[in-house]
Amino acid sequence: GAGVSQSPSNKVTEKGKDVELRCDPISGHTALYWYRQSLGQGLEFLIYFQGNSAPDKSGLPSDRFSAERTGGSVSTLTIQRTQQEDSAVYLCASSHYGEANYGYTFGSGTRLTVV
Amino acid sequence: RKEVEQDPGPFNVPEGATVAFNCTYSNSASQSFFWYRQDCRKEPKLLMSVYSSGNEDGRFTAQLNRASQYISLLIRDSKLSDSATYLCVVNIWAGGFKTIFGAGTRLFVKA
Repeated sequence: GAGVSQSPSNKVTEKGKDVELRCDPISGHTALYWYRQSLGQGLEFLIYFQGNSAPDKSGLPSDRFSAERTGGSVSTLTIQRTQQEDSAVYLCASSHYGEANYGYTFGSGTRLTVV
Repeated sequence: RKEVEQDPGPFNVPEGATVAFNCTYSNSASQSFFWYRQDCRKEPKLLMSVYSSGNEDGRFTAQLNRASQYISLLIRDSKLSDSATYLCVVNIWAGGFKTIFGAGTRLFVKA
């Protein structure tokens, strides 16, 4: 596709349920990032994938959060046993690795609301 | 100390004004620099890269001062549509690129 695609665009879930958020990066982009942004706050780094390297998971807030990237393309962020503080917009971005001067392209995000 | 620091604002300016944002970074291994724009309830979008020689795109001028470790963005002849949050972004090489986003500076341009 022409841009980074995220689904669903909105998700309302009950506290304690698991959710999966999907990101389809720009074709050929080897680097993929997940961030989250709470209302009125800055971007919080979650996880970074680059090619076949081990992902940088240093931003994941707890072991309820996990992510995978299959075939170097689509990525899924999973939140288990959701809590109200998980409510935020989850943003995915992709870029060409090694061409850091080109910046990232973000998807439009998944707005997660835990009730 | 945060790795990338910005004045959170908000900056409230009239249409036609010139406004400048500064951003400082702490890691001297920083390699590349950007300004992103984020509209309310939207995703960030790349506004422009920042080069040591300075670069201009229409009403927007970006400057990088490596010695002092700061980046600036100048907006001339502000428009209502420039109202947004401006994010300073730094890529650091640490065995792989690590990207640090500033918390952003809010700009309101008023008629």
